[in-house]
Amino acid sequence: QQQVKQSPQSLIVQKGGISIINCAYENTAFDYFPWYQQFPGKGPALLIAIRPDVSEKKEGRFTISFNKSAKQFSLHIMDSQPGDSATYFCAASVYQAGTALIFGKGTTLSVSS
Amino acid sequence: DGGITQSPKYLFRKEGQNVTLSCEQNLNHDAMYWYRQDPGQGLRLIYYSQIVNDFQKGDIAEGYSVSREKKESFPLTVTSAQKNPTAFYLCASSIGGGLRTDTQYFGPGTRLTVL
Repeated sequence: QQQVKQSPQSLIVQKGGISIINCAYENTAFDYFPWYQQFPGKGPALLIAIRPDVSEKKEGRFTISFNKSAKQFSLHIMDSQPGDSATYFCAASVYQAGTALIFGKGTTLSVSS
Repeated sequence: DGGITQSPKYLFRKEGQNVTLSCEQNLNHDAMYWYRQDPGQGLRLIYYSQIVNDFQKGDIAEGYSVSREKKESFPLTVTSAQKNPTAFYLCASSIGGGLRTDTQYFGPGTRLTVL
């Protein structure tokens, strides 16, 4: 119930293409869904986050799509660039309870030029 | 410069030794967290603290200990009881206050290798 399942484990995309990473959760109490980006040897950094009151949130080339009934959310990276090559983690938590985040296992994205 | 610092960046330890990883933040955040990262495993929560002098076990607390005597510091001790301590350790902090989940800001990490 506490798990967040992330797929795929790795992804190779051509420059200019769309990268799509998916996550699924079981705990219906989760209501905060952030995505973190991590470059090798560095700590993760918040990329974008969504609450379930909206089905989509866009920031630049990054979009989160959220499907509450399916308990799934995904990250879309439009016009993928080599600089986007990193590991991406989805996460979930109960926003009001001050609980720690539950992270997916990560997706390593490589954007080929 | 505001942020989270972790030291050292690389740490080597002999089997059977305890070792303490440092985490300091000057963001005035109430909440601090320790995660362990292994290839293909994502980030797993070891311990977290919402306020000074209080902390809770995460999913993989066995073999680890923490203290939170000061708001800005949350050191992690990896004890000899930890069966497989070689990993990348990440410290994070958030505004906290126990009322809501805030953005977590991560430090640069410490890579611990047991020889």
